[in-house]
Parts: sequence; structure tokens; C-alpha cells
Amino acid sequence: IQMTQSPSSLSASIGDRVTITCRASQSILKDVNWYQQKPGKAPKLLIYAASSLQSGVPSRFSGSGSGADFTLTIANLQPEDSASYYCQQSYGTLLAFGGGTKVEI
Amino acid sequence: EVQLVESGGGLVQPGVSLKLSCAASGFTFDESAIHWVRQASGQGLEWIGRIRSRSDNYATAYAESLRGRVTISRDDSKNTAYLQMNSLRTEDTATYYCTSLVVRGNFNWFDPWGQGTLVTVSS
Repeated sequence: IQMTQSPSSLSASIGDRVTITCRASQSILKDVNWYQQKPGKAPKLLIYAASSLQSGVPSRFSGSGSGADFTLTIANLQPEDSASYYCQQSYGTLLAFGGGTKVEI
Repeated sequence: EVQLVESGGGLVQPGVSLKLSCAASGFTFDESAIHWVRQASGQGLEWIGRIRSRSDNYATAYAESLRGRVTISRDDSKNTAYLQMNSLRTEDTATYYCTSLVVRGNFNWFDPWGQGTLVTVSS
């Protein structure tokens, strides 16, 4: 199952609302997770099961979707949100990540 | 503290084999599936494969693009998982991460992640 993520990059201002989308090649119910990765660091879990916020993650991050279409939204963009973001499907045996979205402030 | 630490990376020549290690602490390693993920410089994340726990017969699965060149294993007595890669190519140059799969009901996700180990394949 492939994950197509868009856009590959975006530039936004402090306080903006940012939306990143992922489309699966088939229905994967709600088996999608979202990660944030900063340069030189390992990925960090933000959202699991499409819409559940990981403990300690700011509430301006939210996820939605089911079936094949999923969205990560960052409300009120902050300077520390400058990073790359990846969706990941956890459905089935062979897992996969989306291509990533680089968010620049 | 829950922690994964990779080791074994470095500069290797094309065609050789390499075995990376992933040492775990702070959680019940022998009940956890361990996955390997890699990332070439400036590129996205690529899932390599996984090994399940003893209760799931140490079942392995690999990405189709790497099947036949990689083997994932584990030694629960040492709380360590391994990634063996054979016939290394320049395109295998990447940072290699191990991560543990958290399972809650019908859902699962990767957490935590190791800090990564860099493998450079070059003559």
C-alpha cells in the first residue's frame, strides 16, 4: 500500500493554519500515523490512529480522515514547527511512509 | 527511560555485508516487534522490515525492494535486534533507524526511535 503525500514542501507564516494530506492506494481504515522530523533527529510521533494526539504533543496539531484520505493540520503555526512531516500507514504486513512535507516558516 | 541505540554504521565498500545493532532498554523488549527504517540524506523515510516477538514466532517481513539482501534478527537475552545487509550498493548510503512498534487494540505506531546510525557505501 503506497502513500502519496502533498505538498512536498510549503512556506507559511507564524499563526497560519497549515494542512498536509496523504492518500493511500487503497482503503486503510484509520491506520495512519503522523511523525515530525527535525534536521539531524529521529522522527517523533505526533498523531496515531489517524486522529489521536500523542501525549505531550501541542493541541495545535490534529489529524483527520479515514479510508484512503488523511489530513494533518497545524493550527496557529509556531517557529518550532519548522520541520518535515511524514504520514505512515500501519495497515497490513508491508508498511510504508509518505514522501514527506517540508514546512518552512 | 525508554531507549533504542543503534550501532555498527560506518564507511564500507560496495559489495560487502554489514550488520547493524539496535540495543533496547527501559521497556519489555522481548514482547515488542522491532522495525528498521532508513533515510538517505535529504530524502524521505523508507521502511526496511521488521521482526516480531517470540510469541509471534519471530516472524519477519521485508520491503519488496530489499527482499533477499536484508535479514532482521534479534537476541532477546541481549535486548538487541540486528539488521544484516548484503551486497551493499552506493544507494544504500543512509541513516538507519530502529524503532519499536507500539500496539494498542487495533492500532499500532512507531515509538520510540533510536538516534540512527549512518552507513556510507563508497569505494
